[in-house]
Amino acid sequence: ETGVTQTPRHLVMGMTNKKSLKCEQHLGHNAMYWYKQSAKKPLELMFVYSLEERVENNSVPSRFSPECPNSSHLFLHLHTLQPEDSALYLCASSQTAQGASSPLHFGNGTRLTVT
Amino acid sequence: QKEVEQDPGPLSVPEGAIVSLNCTYSNSAFQYFMWYRQYSRKGPELLMYTYSSGNKEDGRFTAQVDKSSKYISLFIRDSQPSDSATYLCAMRVLTGGGNKLTFGTGTQLKVEL
Repeated sequence: ETGVTQTPRHLVMGMTNKKSLKCEQHLGHNAMYWYKQSAKKPLELMFVYSLEERVENNSVPSRFSPECPNSSHLFLHLHTLQPEDSALYLCASSQTAQGASSPLHFGNGTRLTVT
Repeated sequence: QKEVEQDPGPLSVPEGAIVSLNCTYSNSAFQYFMWYRQYSRKGPELLMYTYSSGNKEDGRFTAQVDKSSKYISLFIRDSQPSDSATYLCAMRVLTGGGNKLTFGTGTQLKVEL
């Protein structure tokens, strides 16, 4: 496996369910990110981890809970979501969380539908 | 006012056409500019990046930055059906601010045979 891998690709969950999104990067990067992509809206940065430490939390509701157990893995734990949380959730990684020439490498996303 | 404005399209062009995709921005602190391409059901992939005004060329793609007008463009020459995708502009400040990118909404491009 190469690059950034996200599972599952699709997820349908009820508002009372608890589920988790998983991301794994095989690039040896030290920073990992969660983004939300909704139709006709710009990508929204949710969380940034650098060397497993959270360095950015962009006013995200507590029903989204990130976890970064090591520099290769990132999770997004979901509970009591709302229908407006339906979106494509993208994981990305970069060599560092600083520096201008540290481009983001994205996974293919998890398409989440909240019913 | 949005920090980054990008026409969502869709933009439909015939094969072989020259395509011009554009973004305007309001924050003069943005110094580093990127274009990402996103195919349907895929994540964005970095196409080009630049941090200076002027043009940068890579094959059929040219990125242009005009900081005085706060305007960036991506030109695609000899467009191909495989170029059909959504193109996202992104930008960030050069120092500090972490690696926090501000994205446009994306322009959907379709290149038809």
